[in-house]
Amino acid sequence: EDKVVQSPLSLVVHEGDTVTLNCSYEVTNFRSLLWYKQEKKAPTFLFMLTSSGIEKKSGRLSSILDKKELFSILNITATQTGDSAVYLCAVDQAGTALIFGKGTTLSVSS
Amino acid sequence: GAGVSQSPRYKVAKRGQDVALRCDPISGHVSLFWYQQALGQGPEFLTYFQNEAQLDKSGLPSDRFFAERPEGSVSTLKIQRTQQEDSAVYLCASSERTVSYEQYFGPGTRLTVT
Repeated sequence: EDKVVQSPLSLVVHEGDTVTLNCSYEVTNFRSLLWYKQEKKAPTFLFMLTSSGIEKKSGRLSSILDKKELFSILNITATQTGDSAVYLCAVDQAGTALIFGKGTTLSVSS
Repeated sequence: GAGVSQSPRYKVAKRGQDVALRCDPISGHVSLFWYQQALGQGPEFLTYFQNEAQLDKSGLPSDRFFAERPEGSVSTLKIQRTQQEDSAVYLCASSERTVSYEQYFGPGTRLTVT
């Protein structure tokens, strides 16, 4: 059965900390892995990863994919309270439906 | 430009009622997806349209769920004879292309069945 597993399920940190969120997957017909941020509304797109070993960066966020070991990590440096959200990992399976993990709930305290 | 919009944002239905949820995708987006998100869970795929064609409905949980996109733009997800287990947020997403590409999500409709 295809699955996407995220860890940890929840995380509480202080402002300024660096966090690493994990996503492992077992899916057939893998095309790409996507990260979304969800703040009580629509998930907003962060990254799409298709190739191993190529880091994608956007400000304090970065992500990398390992297609051999079937996982991805999302790093957030110098966390801010505005980073508090659920971070969703999803795998694009053959260009149609996304298979989502359960998400990691990140809480950043000031 | 406008993003994906959904209506209503909130819907309370009594068990047994029929409901209709609307999605307006980003103009020109070919692909449209419906997902169901239960509390504390990630979104789960329901169905997928490419233009007006429903190419995959494998995620629809029962024959009480029906979706259409007759003109290849606006889509409606209909749930007949709602049950309490149907309570969830229903998310719509659209994508510009038919191959692997980022999906843009709407704000969702929160359905509560009492």
